[in-house]
Parts: sequence; structure tokens; C-alpha cells
Amino acid sequence: KAGVTQTPRYLIKTRGQQVTLSCSPISGHRSVSWYQQTPGQGLQFLFEYFSETQRNKGNFPGRFSGRQFSNSRSEMNVSTLELGDSALYLCASSLGGQGAGANVLTFGAGSRLTVL
Amino acid sequence: AQRVTQPEKLLSVFKGAPVELKCNYSYSGSPELFWYVQYSRQRLQLLLRHISRESIKGFTADLNKGETSFHLKKPFAQEEDSAMYYCALSGLTGGGNKLTFGTGTQLKVEL
Repeated sequence: KAGVTQTPRYLIKTRGQQVTLSCSPISGHRSVSWYQQTPGQGLQFLFEYFSETQRNKGNFPGRFSGRQFSNSRSEMNVSTLELGDSALYLCASSLGGQGAGANVLTFGAGSRLTVL
Repeated sequence: AQRVTQPEKLLSVFKGAPVELKCNYSYSGSPELFWYVQYSRQRLQLLLRHISRESIKGFTADLNKGETSFHLKKPFAQEEDSAMYYCALSGLTGGGNKLTFGTGTQLKVEL
């Protein structure tokens, strides 16, 4: 079956702009999580959505937001971009319910954002 | 707060030598621990999880709650094991997914 699909794969923005990244999870997966990966901070959890509701949230400012649609696809938005937002943004999906394997993450290839 | 520590940024071993990638965690509850791996030009993928207690590609990891460790081991390293390895913890407070990752260890297997 198709894996986790993230679009766009690469994008360049300037400071102050906003960006929207998209993630299509594996069919049947109801949980979508977002992570920021940078050389300095490594992999950091942004937020998780399950059944269109934000279920968990990391320690990022309010400029970072997300949402999930009824088909489980998710988007994340970063407003008023800063140079430090340059990173690889990874999306991961999982079944998300209870039971064995429900929280095993399958990652997408990522969206690489460069802020100039 | 939950924290995962991988003390080695780079681990270099010869082919056929034993491998141990260290991972220590800090969490007050009952954690679920994972090892994720990223091979060159590939996506981050699950290697193994402590709950399943299985060996994947010859790797094993045992959760030691007394030492708060979840070290990854393989008795004989292979060239194809060269990759970036991340230890991760899920506290599952309130349910759901919220993985805390370590900074990763780059394993290089030399011939």
C-alpha cells in the first residue's frame, strides 16, 4: 500500500511569509504526527492529530499550527516565518487507536523548508 | 519531563565486531521504547520496539528499568547496518503519540 506522502518536498520562503505543508497518511491510519528535524535540535515533536482533533502538542510557539481533515489528511502551517524555522518537517502516521502496534509510526520523506 | 540520551554521535566498528548503541531515558511513568533507523537516502523507519521483544535484522534491545536504559545490540556487525539510529520514548500520557527522540548515533561499519 502507498506510504505516507508529504508535499511539497522542497520549498523556499522568506522571513515573514507563511507556509502550509501537507501530509497524506497510510490508508486506514487515523493519527498523524508532525516533527521538526534540524541539525542542532534533532527531531522534535510538534503535534499529533487523531480523528480531526489535536491530541498532543509539543513546545512550539503558536505560529505553528495544524489541522486534520475527515479523510485523515493533515496540514501544518507556520506563520511569520523566521530563519530558525528552516528545517526538515516530517509527518508520520499510525493507526492511533488502542492495541498492539497502534502507535507505531510510519514516516514520510519530509518537506524541506528553507527560510531566507 | 521525558528525555532520551544517546551519548555517542558516531560509532565506528569493523565488520563482524559486536555493536552496542547506548540509549538512556528519563521518564517517571511506564515508557514505551523504540529504535528507529534511517539508512542513507531512505526514510526514517521503525527497527524495533521493546514491547514486541523480537530480533530484527539481528538487532535486539532490552528495556532495563533499573538502569533506565534501552541499548541496541547486535553480535556481528554487517556493512549494511551502517545508518543513523534513533532511540525514542513514548510516554503516552493522555493517550496517543508523542515520541521524544534522542539525538541519534551514526553507526559506521568498516570492512
